[in-house]
Amino acid sequence: GAGVSQSPSNKVTEKGKDVELRCDPISGHTALYWYRQRLGQGLEFLIYFQGNSAPDKSGLPSDRFSAERTGESVSTLTIQRTQQEDSAVYLCASSQGQGLYEQYFGPGTRLTVT
Amino acid sequence: LAKTTQPISMDSYEGQEVNITCSHNNIATNDYITWYQQFPSQGPRFIIQGYKTKVTNEVASLFIPADRKSSTLSLPRVSLSDTAVYYCLVLFSGTYKYIFGTGTRLKVLA
Repeated sequence: GAGVSQSPSNKVTEKGKDVELRCDPISGHTALYWYRQRLGQGLEFLIYFQGNSAPDKSGLPSDRFSAERTGESVSTLTIQRTQQEDSAVYLCASSQGQGLYEQYFGPGTRLTVT
Repeated sequence: LAKTTQPISMDSYEGQEVNITCSHNNIATNDYITWYQQFPSQGPRFIIQGYKTKVTNEVASLFIPADRKSSTLSLPRVSLSDTAVYYCLVLFSGTYKYIFGTGTRLKVLA
């Protein structure tokens, strides 16, 4: 595709519900990243995937958060039993490789937990 | 603990040069520094990347002193459309964590 796409663009959910956020990276990009951005704040690194290597999950804020990626394609970020503090924009980015390569960001998913 | 810090905000006038500094005290030998620009309701967009000394592209320059504990993004002759939040990003290779700076909100005035 032309760029990184994310869905849904907006998600409102009730506290305690599970949500799944989707990211479609640029075709051919082997690295994929998830970040969280709370209102008016900077970007918080959550996790990245590189090829078929096991991801480093230590950046995930709690065990309610999990992420999966199928090969070098779509990734999903799942938040279980959502809390109000999970409200944020979740940004996905992809790059040709890890490290030195420019990250291309999607438009983000705005999650609101009521 | 890996950390990057930036000034919270800056104001400038059109046509002026703007310099935004990022401090990254724990940077290691193999860590690169990248700068991104973010407009409201959009994802960040790549500006420039460097490792040491000076890098220049068509939109900005990046200055990195010898100790590499800080870096400065230089935007020549800013325009109103440069009003945005600017972030530095360091990949700390020891922990393989991507750490964004706190962000600098630049406001360009007419």
